[in-house]
Amino acid sequence: RKEVEQDPGPFNVPEGATVAFNCTYSNSASQSFFWYRQDCRKEPKLLMSVYSSGNEDGRFTAQLNRASQYISLLIRDSKLSDSATYLCVVGDYQGGKLIFGQGTELSVKP
Amino acid sequence: DGGITQSPKYLFRKEGQNVTLSCEQNLNHDAMYWYRQDPGQGLRLIYYSQIVNDFQKGDIAEGYSVSREKKESFPLTVTSAQKNPTAFYLCASSMQGGKNIQYFGAGTRLSVL
Repeated sequence: RKEVEQDPGPFNVPEGATVAFNCTYSNSASQSFFWYRQDCRKEPKLLMSVYSSGNEDGRFTAQLNRASQYISLLIRDSKLSDSATYLCVVGDYQGGKLIFGQGTELSVKP
Repeated sequence: DGGITQSPKYLFRKEGQNVTLSCEQNLNHDAMYWYRQDPGQGLRLIYYSQIVNDFQKGDIAEGYSVSREKKESFPLTVTSAQKNPTAFYLCASSMQGGKNIQYFGAGTRLSVL
């Protein structure tokens, strides 16, 4: 089993749609959780951290369920500029590194 | 401007040649990382360093070497032993390892001639 698994995608949605990405992680001792965004042929950039109580940043909402070892990202009112690959990332505190999921590609169409 | 600088942006390697990718950061971060990304694939960790003069192998260290003589610098050498080096190489840094946000450089694209 992979340490971090994401929906395989790609997700093709129209502008204005709501889209949800799911992610599961295997290490119950994980302490930190993030969503990164990667545009084509560019470096990954932090989209948002994920907190136990859930958190929102504009059109983006992230949720964490520690009991189920599950993380989600919801994007409301999708824009063309949201088209990118979204990476689920989990902190391996003991190992001193972050574990990146394979990414889920989102394509928002006019 | 604070950030992570990778150079060169594009690099071509001849067969049997060693090449070195540069990564410099002025964020005063303790930890630095090297990843490899193949087309349509996720990031795979090559090496990481949590402190000067110390580094650990990641998941795919074979055919690569690193050094961490200065806090600001973490160069990656792709040796001739790496038979399939064509990929996008990303360097990252963070305040500490494991739980903190990593910030990435713009990457180096390595191709084989």
